[in-house]
Amino acid sequence: DGGITQSPKYLFRKEGQNVTLSCEQNLNHDAMYWYRQDPGQGLRLIYYSQIVNDFQKGDIAEGYSVSREKKESFPLTVTSAQKNPTAFYLCASSIWRAEETQYFGPGTRLLVL
Amino acid sequence: GNSVTQMEGPVTLSEEAFLTINCTYTATGYPSLFWYVQYPGEGLQLLLKATKADDKGSNKGFEATYRKETTSFHLEKGSVQVSDSAVYFCALFPYGNNRLAFGKGNQVVVIP
Repeated sequence: DGGITQSPKYLFRKEGQNVTLSCEQNLNHDAMYWYRQDPGQGLRLIYYSQIVNDFQKGDIAEGYSVSREKKESFPLTVTSAQKNPTAFYLCASSIWRAEETQYFGPGTRLLVL
Repeated sequence: GNSVTQMEGPVTLSEEAFLTINCTYTATGYPSLFWYVQYPGEGLQLLLKATKADDKGSNKGFEATYRKETTSFHLEKGSVQVSDSAVYFCALFPYGNNRLAFGKGNQVVVIP
C-alpha cells in the first residue's frame, strides 16, 4: 500500500534533549512538508522540501531542523532550542505541481517530560 | 496575499441535521480550493477539492462549490452521522512559494 508513515506515534522529550521524528513516503512524491498542530491554532508550516538535498523554512522553523537526503525520507529534529515543543506533528507529501493535493501521515505526538 | 478564513467556533448538531461550514478566501489569480478532514488522533485526509470557478467538489455526501463572485467554498452535507464528527479544514493553493494555506479548522460534533 502506498502512503506516508510517521514514527513513533508518541514521543517523550526530556529537557535539553534533541529528538528526531521520522517521516517516510512511498508515493514517489517530490515535495514533503512538516506541520505543527496546536489546539485551536490549525496547522503551521515548519519546513518543506521540493526536491532532494533542498529545503526551505516555513513559518515557525526556529528550534527545528530537517534533512532530505533521500526522496522518500524527510526527518524532523526538534532541538533543545525549541522551548515549547509539545504538539502534534504532521508530515505530508505531494507532487510538485499547480493543483497540489497534500497527503498526510498519521502524526506524532510529542510530549515534554 | 492569498489566505482562507473559516467561521469561528465548534459546530455541534444532531444526527441527520444539515451541516454547513463557511470558508471564504482572498486570492489573486485562480487558486485551487480544498477541504480536508481530520478524525480524532489521526492525520488529515483530503475530503474534496475544486480547481476552477463553479466547480463542485463532492465526496462521502459532502459538497462544496467554488464561488468566485463571493470568494467562498462552503462545505455542506445534507444529513450528518455520528461518524462525521471530526475537524474540517479549508485550504487554498497556492500560498506564498507554492504552499497550501490552511484555515484554522472547525470541530464538528454530531450527537446521536
